[in-house]
Amino acid sequence: KQEVTQIPAALSVPEGENLVLNCSFTDSAIYNLQWFRQDPGKGLTSLLLIQSSQREQTSGRLNASLDKSSGRSTLYIAASQPGDSATYLCAVRDDKIIFGKGTRLHILP
Amino acid sequence: NAGVMQNPRHLVRRRGQEARLRCSPMKGHSHVYWYRQLPEEGLKFMVYLQKENIIDESGMPKERFSAEFPKEGPSILRIQQVVRGDSAAYFCASSPQPGGAYNEQFFGPGTRLTVL
Repeated sequence: KQEVTQIPAALSVPEGENLVLNCSFTDSAIYNLQWFRQDPGKGLTSLLLIQSSQREQTSGRLNASLDKSSGRSTLYIAASQPGDSATYLCAVRDDKIIFGKGTRLHILP
Repeated sequence: NAGVMQNPRHLVRRRGQEARLRCSPMKGHSHVYWYRQLPEEGLKFMVYLQKENIIDESGMPKERFSAEFPKEGPSILRIQQVVRGDSAAYFCASSPQPGGAYNEQFFGPGTRLTVL
């Protein structure tokens, strides 16, 4: 049974710092891995989707990597801003989408 | 092209009442997925539907919950005789085709159900 774990559960960093969010999954037989952002009381915004054949994807200040063999992904956020404060969800796709519980990120002004 | 639409955005029900949540997929999408997010939990898959068919309902509670996606109109998630434990955010997603590596699901804003 696929399980997705995100560490840490919560993170506070000063504005301007670079940071890394971690995601691990137990079954490497996935189609893709996706990172989402969720603001309080809001829906999900897709940030990056990495296909199983890819190693990384980049969008602006965000870079996501995927290592299928070790069952790990990281989301790197460069030069963090207060507007980056949100919950970041990692999700893997096999037959279904399996979500982690998320990392609550707070960027301190 | 409007995104996935869900209504209502917020729904309050008393214990024992019925809750009906609606999801209109993106234009051209014929596959709908429902997820539930309990407080402090991740999103959990509930059910996957195509037009007029339930494809996978392995995540649906065995009682009180049902879903449909009629030929015309939105997909409906129905919860009968709600209990406090049903309080959660319910998200709908849609995709143009099923499964596969390149099939991305697009999520709606969710319906937040509160059971008093």
